[in-house]
Amino acid sequence: EAGVTQFPSHSVIEKGQTVTLRCDPISGHDNLYWYRRVMGKEIKFLLHFVKESKQDESGMPNNRFLAERTGGTYSTLKVQPAELEDSGVYFCASSLWRGGKYEQYFGPGTRLTVT
Amino acid sequence: EDKVVQSPLSLVVHEGDTVTLNCSYEVTNFRSLLWYKQEKKAPTFLFMLTSSGIEKKSGRLSSILDKKELFSILNITATQTGDSAIYLCAVHRGAGSYQLTFGKGTKLSVIP
Repeated sequence: EAGVTQFPSHSVIEKGQTVTLRCDPISGHDNLYWYRRVMGKEIKFLLHFVKESKQDESGMPNNRFLAERTGGTYSTLKVQPAELEDSGVYFCASSLWRGGKYEQYFGPGTRLTVT
Repeated sequence: EDKVVQSPLSLVVHEGDTVTLNCSYEVTNFRSLLWYKQEKKAPTFLFMLTSSGIEKKSGRLSSILDKKELFSILNITATQTGDSAIYLCAVHRGAGSYQLTFGKGTKLSVIP
């Protein structure tokens, strides 16, 4: 079974530019999450999708971040315009939520560097 | 605000040693505590603990939860160089929230 995949693995952009990150969850997982780790800090929650609906956006830092999950499969996270403080590693995770199995499985992350 | 504190933040041991990693937490409506191992990229799921006093085991790794004292430990016996990684503890709140709150992690280095 394929795990969670993320693309690109690394992105370097200039301040003010736009970047779109992509996440493909494990097949059959309705729940998809985005997290971020900025340097020196712990991994922090950004948002949660159930299928194509946003269940919880409480961690999104501001309106420069837009997440979508059209069709309830893969998800994209767009940052527009990027700022220096957006640099960090963006993780995607997915999970089932039935039969007591709700542990989240993580992708390898996208390292975003804003210069 | 939910809080997860891991200790120590880093640890260096020799192959064959036994290590204990600690995780304490404060969370509203606790549902479960999860341990992950992060080597290079993706945090890899190890254990999910929901009940106090029940040890979960996988090979040389084991973990237990104390919901009264609000902590968990992760034990690794007979450590190997392949155990070198960052070990992350995260708590899962219930009551309709699905997000994980993470600690900063413990960086374990196992030297031959």
